[in-house]
Amino acid sequence: DGGITQSPKYLFRKEGQNVTLSCEQNLNHDAMYWYRQDPGQGLRLIYYSQIVNDFQKGDIAEGYSVSREKKESFPLTVTSAQKNPTAFYLCASSFGLAASSYEQYFGPGTRLTVT
Amino acid sequence: AQSVTQLDSHVSVSEGTPVLLRCNYSSSYSPSLFWYVQHPNKGLQLLLKYTSAATLVKGINGFEAEFKKSETSFHLTKPSAHMSDAAEYFCVVSEGYKLSFGAGTTVTVRA
Repeated sequence: DGGITQSPKYLFRKEGQNVTLSCEQNLNHDAMYWYRQDPGQGLRLIYYSQIVNDFQKGDIAEGYSVSREKKESFPLTVTSAQKNPTAFYLCASSFGLAASSYEQYFGPGTRLTVT
Repeated sequence: AQSVTQLDSHVSVSEGTPVLLRCNYSSSYSPSLFWYVQHPNKGLQLLLKYTSAATLVKGINGFEAEFKKSETSFHLTKPSAHMSDAAEYFCVVSEGYKLSFGAGTTVTVRA
């Protein structure tokens, strides 16, 4: 069954610690994305990757880092430099970047709480 | 620059009655427009999309939306609400790769 998996579903960390969120897809998609969702707001793009070993900053990349060593995997690290890390994080993937041509499929999300 | 305004943050309807979710957009070019649905603590699912073909777009689960360029609107409707429609709905505009999301409309369905 093809899809996107994100783990864990809930994650708790102490302030000042880095934390890595996992995103894996078996849809054979080239493009992958990370979004952040806060209550009462739409999704905002953190990073995206068009192809392996390449990624670009989105609108709110400060305090985050990513890697794309494998086509299937696009982990997101929330660093201690991120001022307000508590949020719901969603990973997505698509065959290509052109949104009008390629639907983005979303994972179930990881809810990160930092205290 | 592109942006989306969802005119209602919360809509409450009775089961079996029509649903209307309003969305206005701003875009420099001919936009692609989408509606996504999100059930609690879940990812997003695409309901429908408009990409400059027919202005009336039919989606999944009985939803449809009409693109009106003169009004810069892309409102989502469903003739008869079901309890399973209770969720959050996002109107989205894209130019190129980038998706810009509205703030969302929460739909409550009363029995």
